[in-house]
Amino acid sequence: EAGVVQSPRYKIIEKKQPVAFWCNPISGHNTLYWYRQNLGQGPELLIRYENEEAVDDSQLPKDRFSAERLKGVDSTLKIQPAELGDSAVYLCASSLGGRGDYEQYFGPGTRLTVT
Amino acid sequence: GENVEQHPSTLSVQEGDSAVIKCTYSDSASNYFPWYKQELGKGPQLIIDIRSNVGEKKDQRIAVTLNKTAKHFSLHITETQPEDSAVYFCAASMGTYKYIFGTGTRLKVLA
Repeated sequence: EAGVVQSPRYKIIEKKQPVAFWCNPISGHNTLYWYRQNLGQGPELLIRYENEEAVDDSQLPKDRFSAERLKGVDSTLKIQPAELGDSAVYLCASSLGGRGDYEQYFGPGTRLTVT
Repeated sequence: GENVEQHPSTLSVQEGDSAVIKCTYSDSASNYFPWYKQELGKGPQLIIDIRSNVGEKKDQRIAVTLNKTAKHFSLHITETQPEDSAVYFCAASMGTYKYIFGTGTRLKVLA
């Protein structure tokens, strides 16, 4: 079974430019998460989707970040415009969803460098 | 809100020795505690987890213990091997999907 797929794996952009990350979760997983991981830190949740609905976006900087999961499967996270402080690894994770299912499975991440 | 502290930040052990990583959480409502292993350039991989109704769980060379009274949980790796070298993260969840991660422990197993 394929794991969580993310692309691109690496991205280097200049500040003020837009950037987008794509994620395809494990087949059948209804819950999708986007995390940001700064160097030397644990992942921090940005947004969580249940199917196509964003049920927790309290940590998403909405002035420049947006996300979508239109058909309840794959998802896109966008930053516009990017700032130097956005340099980090952006991780996507998925889980089955449903009561009592807590296990999250992570993709390899996209390493963003803003210059 | 929930806060998770993880120690040590780095740990070096000789191959074959045991390694122990400890985490402390702040919210007594937390009831799910996963551990992740992250190798360089890869995403975190779930290696073991424990729920609050269990005090200990083992999977081959890996074990996790939970002390709800003291609000801490630990990862134990026995007979360490070079391939165990990685960054390990603990996390706590209050029965929701929101994980609060620790800051990570870089484990080096010296051959």
